[in-house]
Amino acid sequence: KAGVTQTPRYLIKTRGQQVTLSCSPISGHRSVSWYQQTPGQGLQFLFEYFSETQRNKGNFPGRFSGRQFSNSRSEMNVSTLELGDSALYLCASSLGAHRRIGYTFGSGTRLTVV
Amino acid sequence: AQTVTQSQPEMSVQEAETVTLSCTYDTSENNYYLFWYKQPPSRQMILVIRQEAYKQQNATENRFSVNFQKAAKSFSLKISDSQLGDTAMYFCAFMQDNNNDMRFGAGTRLTVKP
Repeated sequence: KAGVTQTPRYLIKTRGQQVTLSCSPISGHRSVSWYQQTPGQGLQFLFEYFSETQRNKGNFPGRFSGRQFSNSRSEMNVSTLELGDSALYLCASSLGAHRRIGYTFGSGTRLTVV
Repeated sequence: AQTVTQSQPEMSVQEAETVTLSCTYDTSENNYYLFWYKQPPSRQMILVIRQEAYKQQNATENRFSVNFQKAAKSFSLKISDSQLGDTAMYFCAFMQDNNNDMRFGAGTRLTVKP
């Protein structure tokens, strides 16, 4: 079956703009989580959505938001982009209830803010 | 708060030899899950092996095995018969039983030399 699909793969934006990233989870997976990966901070949890509801949220400013649709696809939005938002954004999906299985990750979206 | 520590930023090993990557974590919880993920240059995080804290038996997946020491809060990964394709960043991760916020260590960059 298809894996976790993230689009686009690469994105270049200007400071002050906003951006929307997309994630399609594995079929049947209802939980989608987003992570930001940077060389300095490593992997940091942004938020998790389950059945269209945000279930957990990390310690990021309100400029970072997300949503999940009824088909479990998720989008992440960053408004008023800052240079420090340049990062690899990873999406991960899981069944939601079976934590022992862990996540399946996508290949990420590389966002560069100039 | 749960933290995950990987004390080896970089390691190298000769092809066909064995290498062990270290990971320690801090938690007051009794039920949790531990994972090792591999991130090759393709960027996708790939689950290598997982361990449930309530299981005393160490997990094994082909050439990959763990040494789980619950009392010491240690979760090391042993890679036997190292192959060139094992070259990647390796992340240790922790997840509580009651939420989907997976915490990652800073990673260990492993290079397998021919």
